[in-house]
Amino acid sequence: EDQVTQSPEALRLQEGESSSLNCSYTVSGLRGLFWYRQDPGKGPEFLFTLYSAGEEKEKERLKATLTKKESFLHITAPKPEDSATYLCAAFMFSGGYNKLIFGAGTRLAVHP
Amino acid sequence: EAQVTQNPRYLITVTGKKLTVTCSQNMNHEYMSWYRQDPGLGLRQIYYSMNVEVTDKGDVPEGYKVSRKEKRNFPLILESPSPNQTSLYFCASSPYNWDYYEQYFGPGTRLTVT
Repeated sequence: EDQVTQSPEALRLQEGESSSLNCSYTVSGLRGLFWYRQDPGKGPEFLFTLYSAGEEKEKERLKATLTKKESFLHITAPKPEDSATYLCAAFMFSGGYNKLIFGAGTRLAVHP
Repeated sequence: EAQVTQNPRYLITVTGKKLTVTCSQNMNHEYMSWYRQDPGLGLRQIYYSMNVEVTDKGDVPEGYKVSRKEKRNFPLILESPSPNQTSLYFCASSPYNWDYYEQYFGPGTRLTVT
């Protein structure tokens, strides 16, 4: 069964304390892995797309990496404004259809 | 401003009363999609459309209908809403049919069915 699992469910960090969020996937025919940020009461906002194992992308304090089984979102020296829920999603071609499966998300709280 | 708009943002209704949630995008995107978001389950795709008059089921299509008569609009129809359709709904659009370089999400519609 195609599945995307994110861990931890929630993460509390002190400002400046670097950490990583995990997104593990078991899907057939992966075509891409996406990361989104979602603020309370808003729709998800696109961050990154990763297409192949070994690929890395960076944006400000965020860096996303991809292996054949999981993706990591590394947050370096986070600030309170990085507090949000981070979602990953696997895009695949399965059973003759394009499918996009989201993980449940990691709620990140960064405290000053 | 490039955006996806949804209306209404909040809706409380009763079981069985037909309702429509509208979605419109001003970016000339071919691809549009509807999701529902429930605590602990993440976003689940309801229906998607790759272009005008082309729609297909996502993972949780039961109880929903869609139509795509114009490129910019993709309404979600609940013919006979039930309490298990209480959820937060998002519409999204993307400029590509076969690759999601970037999906733009609307602000969400919080639906409560009593």
